[in-house]
Amino acid sequence: ETGVTQTPRHLVMGMTNKKSLKCEQHLGHNAMYWYKQSAKKPLELMFVYNFKEQTENNSVPSRFSPECPNSSHLFLHLHTLQPEDSALYLCASSQEVAQGLNTGELFFGEGSRLTVL
Amino acid sequence: KNQVEQSPQSLIILEGKNCTLQCNYTVSPFSNLRWYKQDTGRGPVSLTIMTFSENTKSNGRYTATLDADTKQSSLHITASQLSDSASYICVVTNNNAGNMLTFGGGTRLMVKP
Repeated sequence: ETGVTQTPRHLVMGMTNKKSLKCEQHLGHNAMYWYKQSAKKPLELMFVYNFKEQTENNSVPSRFSPECPNSSHLFLHLHTLQPEDSALYLCASSQEVAQGLNTGELFFGEGSRLTVL
Repeated sequence: KNQVEQSPQSLIILEGKNCTLQCNYTVSPFSNLRWYKQDTGRGPVSLTIMTFSENTKSNGRYTATLDADTKQSSLHITASQLSDSASYICVVTNNNAGNMLTFGGGTRLMVKP
């Protein structure tokens, strides 16, 4: 139990569906992240939120839409995805996104395994 | 370009044996380096962090080393156990404005009985 909970753990959707991934952290952290993990590739940062404000959008297609209503919750809304979007989507949190020297540890959820048909 | 390269990509060892995983990076300026362990179907969990001034740090059967001059780190696992089977990910932080993390592709370790 890392203190970061993701739902659903598994999701299968068609290319025309609309679905959402949910992440909740119980650690009192101020920063939350979405990462994409594809087979045999390094983790790819998608979005960063610091104190509910989006601080980074790593050139992610608009079919992925994040939402951060408060520091504890993060959503990833999915719409008209492509089969190549199939991957493990990991949510993470950290104490904060510090400027300059940052030794902050990322706490990851267990991921949402997404399959796009 | 900031890059983190890990080797080998995959490794199979027998239970009880030792192994060493490698991480080479080109991230600059360097802040710190973390090793994460990711069990199958789970999220990564931090094992250890190495800062610029640290050469060696142990966490149980895991020992990490850092050579900031050659920009290399290693993770040595002693007396491996079946539960060590996982992916090990090296992550380097850029000592610059913002939370710039560069992830390695990971080493997939399988420990067989």
